[in-house]
Amino acid sequence: GNSVTQMEGPVTLSEEAFLTINCTYTATGYPSLFWYVQYPGEGLQLLLKATKADDKGSNKGFEATYRKETTSFHLEKGSVQVSDSAVYFCAPKLWSGGYNKLIFGAGTRLAVHP
Amino acid sequence: NAGVTQTPKFQVLKTGQSMTLQCAQDMNHEYMSWYRQDPGMGLRLIHYSVGAGITDQGEVPNGYNVSRSTTEDFPLRLLSAAPSQTSVYFCASSYGPRDEQFFGPGTRLTVL
Repeated sequence: GNSVTQMEGPVTLSEEAFLTINCTYTATGYPSLFWYVQYPGEGLQLLLKATKADDKGSNKGFEATYRKETTSFHLEKGSVQVSDSAVYFCAPKLWSGGYNKLIFGAGTRLAVHP
Repeated sequence: NAGVTQTPKFQVLKTGQSMTLQCAQDMNHEYMSWYRQDPGMGLRLIHYSVGAGITDQGEVPNGYNVSRSTTEDFPLRLLSAAPSQTSVYFCASSYGPRDEQFFGPGTRLTVL
C-alpha cells in the first residue's frame, strides 16, 4: 500500500551545520510531494512542495528534489539556524480511496544549538 | 482572512462525555479534513469532506462523526469520549485535491 518513511529523530545539530532529512515513499501513482514544518505549540505549515519528477521545491533555504527513480524527497539545508528547530513531516499526496490525501511520515524532530 | 480556525485550543473530558470540536475556514475551500496527531505516528486522517453535504471516512474514523452543512464549517463530534482519543486534533482545508492543505492551530484533547 501507500506509505512514507522518514528518518528517525531527534536530529541534533550545531548552528550553521548541514541538514539532511531523508524521506522515501511507496505509491502506485505519481504523487505530489510536500514537506510540512511544525514549530513548538503550533499547527503545521507548508515548507515546500514539488509536483512532478525532477522538480525542486525550495523555501527559507530548504530544498528538496522529487526523485522518481528512487521515490525519495530528501530535505536539505546548507546552514541551519536555531530558529529552524521544529518537527518536519514528509507528506506525499496520493490518490487513495477516491480522494487525494496526504500521507504523513512520523515526523523528524530537529534541534539546533547555538 | 483568518485562514483555518479551531476551537477550543484545549479541552479535558471525562470518559463517556461528548463534545464537538469546531473548525472553520474563510478561504472558500471545498476540501476539508480532520487529523489526529499522536507521538511517533505523524498525522492520521479521521474524516474528510470534498464539499458541502459530502463527507467520508479516513484511516481512523471510529468514535468520531462529522457533517458539512456549509462550505465554511466542518465540526468533529466525539459521541462518547475514550482515553484512546487523547490526542491533538488538526483541521485542514485546500482548494482542490492536489493543492496545498492549510492547517488550523490544533485542539489538544485529554480524556480522563
